[in-house]
Amino acid sequence: SQTIHQWPATLVQPVGSPLSLECTVEGTSNPNLYWYRQAAGRGLQLLFYSVGIGQISSEVPQNLSASRPQDRQFILSSKKLLLSDSGFYLCAWSGTGLNTEAFFGQGTRLTVV
Amino acid sequence: TQLLEQSPQFLSIQEGENLTVYCNSSSVFSSLQWYRQEPGEGPVLLVTVVTGGEVKKLKRLTFQFGDARKDSSLHITAAQPGDTGLYLCAGAFGSGNTGKLIFGQGTTLQVKP
Repeated sequence: SQTIHQWPATLVQPVGSPLSLECTVEGTSNPNLYWYRQAAGRGLQLLFYSVGIGQISSEVPQNLSASRPQDRQFILSSKKLLLSDSGFYLCAWSGTGLNTEAFFGQGTRLTVV
Repeated sequence: TQLLEQSPQFLSIQEGENLTVYCNSSSVFSSLQWYRQEPGEGPVLLVTVVTGGEVKKLKRLTFQFGDARKDSSLHITAAQPGDTGLYLCAGAFGSGNTGKLIFGQGTTLQVKP
């Protein structure tokens, strides 16, 4: 069966520090991968998505970047965090068909102080 | 840029009442999904609709896809406190595997006993 792992679950970082959130998927190959950010009680804002190794699409200009160094690994990074980067970050994967569902990790609560 | 407008954003009702949540876009979806999310967790899929005019039922939940595949609705009959949560619609756009999955802003539902 497929599983998705996202870590860490919570993170408190000072302004100006770097960030690296990692997400890995098991039990499937060539998944679509996603990074979303969610404000409290609100919808998911698509940050990045990837259909293959090294292929990253960015949805919004921001202080973050994403990389996919391996087929089932998706990394969200920042060189210098801003206060506005605080939020709930969710990694997800889906199959490559049009009708397949997205499966989400447990999320990372990032607080920039 | 594809956008999904979800309404209402907040809904507080008494147990036993009916409700409808709407999801609209100016773009055509290749498929549309409805998710439910609990606090501190990732969203979980409820249903996927693909064909224009399609209606799917999941116990007391009825999902409808608009004929033009630009809108969808979620109707809950005789709501229960266990239905409380954040409901999200998500649309896949484009033909083939574009990888892009956009979410609406979410509807927070509170069902009071």
